[in-house]
Amino acid sequence: GAVVSQHPSWVICKSGTSVKIECRSLDFQATTMFWYRQFPKQSLMLMATSNEGSKATYEQGVEKDKFLINHASLTLSTLTVTSAHPEDSSFYICSARTTENTEAFFGQGTRLTVV
Amino acid sequence: RKEVEQDPGPFNVPEGATVAFNCTYSNSASQSFFWYRQDCRKEPKLLMSVYSSGNEDGRFTAQLNRASQYISLLIRDSKLSDSATYLCVVNRGTGFQKLVFGTGTRLLVSP
Repeated sequence: GAVVSQHPSWVICKSGTSVKIECRSLDFQATTMFWYRQFPKQSLMLMATSNEGSKATYEQGVEKDKFLINHASLTLSTLTVTSAHPEDSSFYICSARTTENTEAFFGQGTRLTVV
Repeated sequence: RKEVEQDPGPFNVPEGATVAFNCTYSNSASQSFFWYRQDCRKEPKLLMSVYSSGNEDGRFTAQLNRASQYISLLIRDSKLSDSATYLCVVNRGTGFQKLVFGTGTRLLVSP
């Protein structure tokens, strides 16, 4: 299957700082990328959907000013967690696809710990 | 009520056993259904799509009952490598547009 690379795989940051997570599609052009969050023993929850060149669409309850998403090219999307707090500690994972009916492939995920 | 519900398990089975997982979904407008596999601390990977007519891929069989809003996954002749968490996934629209994940059912296959 297609390859989606996510970086970093884990990060520890201090409360109040910002963290940027990158999601790259390595061998295909991702017109749409999705960002999910997974808390321990809970399901993956969609945070936002981004289409290349457009503003991201956020799910209800997800603060767009706190979770900044940029999808400036067909192969790269970034999620920036601004002013991180310990409750933002979670597993963040992206997925990418070409067109609506094609499989979305997942990145390896980023485990964020805010101390 | 969660949009997608699964028994979290774990299901402990010996090698060679047959095991079945069930899943129910609440949104009757859901169009597409999938089973994903997720290994510990790894990303989910698509195992198979689920069609109304049922479908089989080797040792894996998936069934969909739209009337009961119920999805199942059957694994025959379990292997040690089948140990993982199996995620029931429903799409609110068509294709892979807006995936809603269940919390997963954990399977442990022992020698």
